[in-house]
Amino acid sequence: AAGVIQSPRHLIKEKRETATLKCYPIPRHDTVYWYQQGPGQDPQFLISFYEKMQSDKGSIPDRFSAQQFSDYHSELNMSSLELGDSALYFCASSLRSEQYFGPGTRLTVT
Amino acid sequence: GESVGLHLPTLSVQEGDNSIINCAYSNSASDYFIWYKQESGKGPQFIIDIRSNMDKRQGQRVTVLLNKTVKHLSLQIAATQPGDSAVYFCAEKDPGTYKYIFGTGTRLKVLA
Repeated sequence: AAGVIQSPRHLIKEKRETATLKCYPIPRHDTVYWYQQGPGQDPQFLISFYEKMQSDKGSIPDRFSAQQFSDYHSELNMSSLELGDSALYFCASSLRSEQYFGPGTRLTVT
Repeated sequence: GESVGLHLPTLSVQEGDNSIINCAYSNSASDYFIWYKQESGKGPQFIIDIRSNMDKRQGQRVTVLLNKTVKHLSLQIAATQPGDSAVYFCAEKDPGTYKYIFGTGTRLKVLA
């Protein structure tokens, strides 16, 4: 079965640079979610989209933005990167309720 | 969810024994819950879900119990295997939103 695809899998950026993470949800899933997970922490909800419209926002910094495109893929844009942004970033998708996660993008800010 | 740094609660069980992982949730109005298994460096893997109109749901070797009175969720794993070693999270869906709140993870260690 198709799963959530995320790219890139690893990304190294310097402070104050920008990064763009991509997510391709499971086909026919109508909701996309973004999460941030620091080492040893639980995933923190950032933002979600339902049918290409932003639906809910969590603890997403103003430096971050996201959107979902007509083909349902989503991008998380991160600007003015800080050392504390180093984390695993997960995308998840769902149809109705069951939420499935992608493999994540490991972002390292140096 | 609250950060617990690198010191996750840990449950150590002998291979073949049953495991019980507990989770307290915050919102009495939450009506949908998911248990996830996360191995190191990987994304959370969906294990089993339950709606608030149920008290119990069974899957393959796993059972989820929901006690709405005390806002408590548990995951029971039968005949625990080495491959079950991972961090387990419960997640509650914020009612009326497309937002999930994760509980503090529990690290399960299976001893051979």
